[in-house]
Amino acid sequence: SQTIHQWPATLVQPVGSPLSLECTVEGTSNPNLYWYRQAAGRGLQLLFYSVGIGQISSEVPQNLSASRPQDRQFILSSKKLLLSDSGFYLCAWSVLGSVETQYFGPGTRLLVL
Amino acid sequence: AQKITQTQPGMFVQEKEAVTLDCTYDTSDPSYGLFWYKQPSSGEMIFLIYQGSYDQQNATEGRYSLNFQKARKSANLVISASQLGDSAMYFCAMREEGASRGSTLGRLYFGRGTQLTVWP
Repeated sequence: SQTIHQWPATLVQPVGSPLSLECTVEGTSNPNLYWYRQAAGRGLQLLFYSVGIGQISSEVPQNLSASRPQDRQFILSSKKLLLSDSGFYLCAWSVLGSVETQYFGPGTRLLVL
Repeated sequence: AQKITQTQPGMFVQEKEAVTLDCTYDTSDPSYGLFWYKQPSSGEMIFLIYQGSYDQQNATEGRYSLNFQKARKSANLVISASQLGDSAMYFCAMREEGASRGSTLGRLYFGRGTQLTVWP
């Protein structure tokens, strides 16, 4: 069966520091991968989308970037965090098909101080 | 314009009763999919149910059913026989699957959610 992992689970970082969040998927090949951010009390905002290694589409450029160095690995990064980057970051995967449901990881809670 | 609207910020239901969570959507794409997710306090988003725009019957998954009214552009989630463990945030989402697919990257549009509380 497929599983999706995210780490770290919780992160507290100072403003201006770098960021690296990792997401890995097991049990499937060539998944579509997504990074979402959820601000407190709000729905999910799509940040990045990837259909394959090295292929990244961005919805919200800002100061965040994403990379996909391996088929089942998706990394969210920032060179300098802002206060507004605080939130709950969720990684999701899907495979092409008639329904193409997106399945989510456990998430990373990021607090920028 | 909002793609997904959930007008109930909070709902309360007694254990074993049924509850309906409202969702309306906005799209000009004739082909789309509608999803409901549950988010407990732990934060993980759990997929519950899917309805395709061309599906003739309302989707059902165990105690979950989707009341799909295409003309009204509504996709309400019905939870029957509520349990204490159903207390969570519930999100409605939509993906456009037709001509809009290329420009939207097949992304999911989420509503702001409804906080459901089940009391004994």
